[in-house]
Amino acid sequence: EVQLVESGGGLVQPGGSLRLSCAASGFTFSNYWMHWVRQPPGKGLVWVSRIKTDGSITSYADSVKGRFTISRDNAKSTLYLQMNGLTAEDTAVYYCASNLVSSGSFWGQGTLVTVSS
Amino acid sequence: QSVLTQPPSASGTPGQRVTISCSGSTTNIGSNTVSWFQQLPGTAPKVVIFSDNQRPSGVPDRFSGTKSGTSASLAISGLQSEDEADYYCAAWQDSMNGVVFGGGTKLTVL
Repeated sequence: EVQLVESGGGLVQPGGSLRLSCAASGFTFSNYWMHWVRQPPGKGLVWVSRIKTDGSITSYADSVKGRFTISRDNAKSTLYLQMNGLTAEDTAVYYCASNLVSSGSFWGQGTLVTVSS
Repeated sequence: QSVLTQPPSASGTPGQRVTISCSGSTTNIGSNTVSWFQQLPGTAPKVVIFSDNQRPSGVPDRFSGTKSGTSASLAISGLQSEDEADYYCAAWQDSMNGVVFGGGTKLTVL
């Protein structure tokens, strides 16, 4: 069974940092592009970042560029999102997903990040 | 303001056929494939259509997708109460080197 399990969310003060993890199982993680997508409370889905199968290519939404870093460890089948300089606008449920706009799209259950003083 | 435009709401009665539209441009829908995601209340999104009109295994054939030019549509036939959810379209955006989503459509089964 395919599973993506996010962790690392929580309450953080403005300007703080957080690292999210996404543990994958049930499929060959190293064969899939991986993405982070977020959903602010009561709002729609917003793409955040993506990373190629071997980690050699990454891209980011303008709203997080320079503050967030996506990475992966294929040996551990785990995806990461390092988030620095957090603001209230970053408050959202963060989902990891595979192959977002092609076949083999799987999503995790999400982890909530709340930025507040 | 989302790059892809969807109606905020749609509705139908059980057994009816409903369609949800998604409008984009030549740099997203016009040159890349479209996916549709279903988000049931309180749960994570799940893909119901990818590559414009392909259904993942396990998705009922009541769900279908079409695309023409810079617009796409999701159709749900034989509407059931369990189809009540938010639906999002998505496509690759060439100029952004990323994925863009529609704002979402809340489907109500009356």
